[in-house]
Amino acid sequence: ELKVEQNPLFLSMQEGKNYTIYCNYSTTSDRLYWYRQDPGKSLESLFVLLSNGAVKQEGRLMASLDTKARLSTLHITAAVHDLSATYFCAVYRLNTSGSRLTFGEGTQLTVNP
Amino acid sequence: GAGVSQSPSNKVTEKGKDVELRCDPISGHTALYWYRQSLGQGLEFLIYFQGNSAPDKSGLPSDRFSAERTGGSVSTLTIQRTQQEDSAVYLCASSRRTPNGYTFGSGTRLTVV
Repeated sequence: ELKVEQNPLFLSMQEGKNYTIYCNYSTTSDRLYWYRQDPGKSLESLFVLLSNGAVKQEGRLMASLDTKARLSTLHITAAVHDLSATYFCAVYRLNTSGSRLTFGEGTQLTVNP
Repeated sequence: GAGVSQSPSNKVTEKGKDVELRCDPISGHTALYWYRQSLGQGLEFLIYFQGNSAPDKSGLPSDRFSAERTGGSVSTLTIQRTQQEDSAVYLCASSRRTPNGYTFGSGTRLTVV
């Protein structure tokens, strides 16, 4: 069974600081997604990482994927309050039943002024 | 439509009643997923539809849960004899067969009283 673990689960940081959220998963996959969820809202797609070594950047967020280590990171640079949200990683698996995303528990990020 | 549409957005029901939740995916998206998100938790896979193939029902938590997808488009998730532990946000997502991303709907918040 695929397990996806994120850490930290809760992150409080000051504006202007940098930090990294980690996503570890237990079985082979070459596709990983990062989503953002604001309170009471649905999930917004941030990044799709499709191969080993993939790196994508959007604004103050950068995501990377190391399929050999089964690890993805979401790096936050010079955080601003607007980044406060819950961030989920999700690992894609294709098996005989079909495909699905297995989600981590989420990292609740609070950026303080 | 432009996005994944779910209805109702909120549903309060009495314990023991049946409920139906609807999902209208993005036109042309052949894959459709139902997930459940309990308060403060990650997303739990429920069921997956891909085109005309048999659905992957392996995530349904009990035989009180069922889902169908008519004409490869709209899907209905039915919960019979609802229990308080069924209270959660039920999210639907759709994607193309070779997805670069899954688009989530806004969810249905179900409260069983």
